[in-house]
Amino acid sequence: DAGVTQSPTHLIKTRGQQVTLRCSPKSGHDTVSWYQQALGQGPQFIFQYYEEEERQRGNFPDRFSGHQFPNYSSELNVNALLLGDSALYLCASSIAGRMNTEAFFGQGTRLTVV
Amino acid sequence: SQQGEEDPQALSIQEGENATMNCSYKTSINNLQWYRQNSGRGLVHLILIRSNEREKHSGRLRVTLDTSKKSSSLLITASRAADTASYFCEYQYNNNDMRFGAGTRLTVKP
Repeated sequence: DAGVTQSPTHLIKTRGQQVTLRCSPKSGHDTVSWYQQALGQGPQFIFQYYEEEERQRGNFPDRFSGHQFPNYSSELNVNALLLGDSALYLCASSIAGRMNTEAFFGQGTRLTVV
Repeated sequence: SQQGEEDPQALSIQEGENATMNCSYKTSINNLQWYRQNSGRGLVHLILIRSNEREKHSGRLRVTLDTSKKSSSLLITASRAADTASYFCEYQYNNNDMRFGAGTRLTVKP
């Protein structure tokens, strides 16, 4: 049983470009949450998708958008990249919106904006 | 800041000693979870403690929750060099909003 998988593992983009990150949840999980983790800091919640809808959102600008597909996989899109968007992007999957349930994290995508 | 308080920021101990990390939050929570992260990669879930629980154990790990003080602690007993990692708490507020602490960087010297 595969856990949470994220692709790609590393990515280098130029300022102003757009990027799409992908996440496949653990089998049986229907909820995907995305986090941004800057170097030396804790993860910051971006948003959560459940039943193909964005259910919750953290304090991130509209440049950050996402999507969840019928198979529960998810994408994170970031437009007009800034140098400050360089970070490790983590995806976590869980069941039914994460009320009192454990979340499983992927290994992350390391995004570098130059 | 979106992040709660976690202390200490860094902790260095000798193998065999115990390590205690603390996490504080601001309002009522549904649950609190502790995670471990090696070398800036994915987080590994350690323990979930619900708001109506006061203490949970898993192997060498012990987590306590004091809702009156809005704080939690993670105790690692008989530490090993392999326990070297960053440890984060994540708390889920009653409105399902979730926040991570800033983390504690633990170094266990052999």
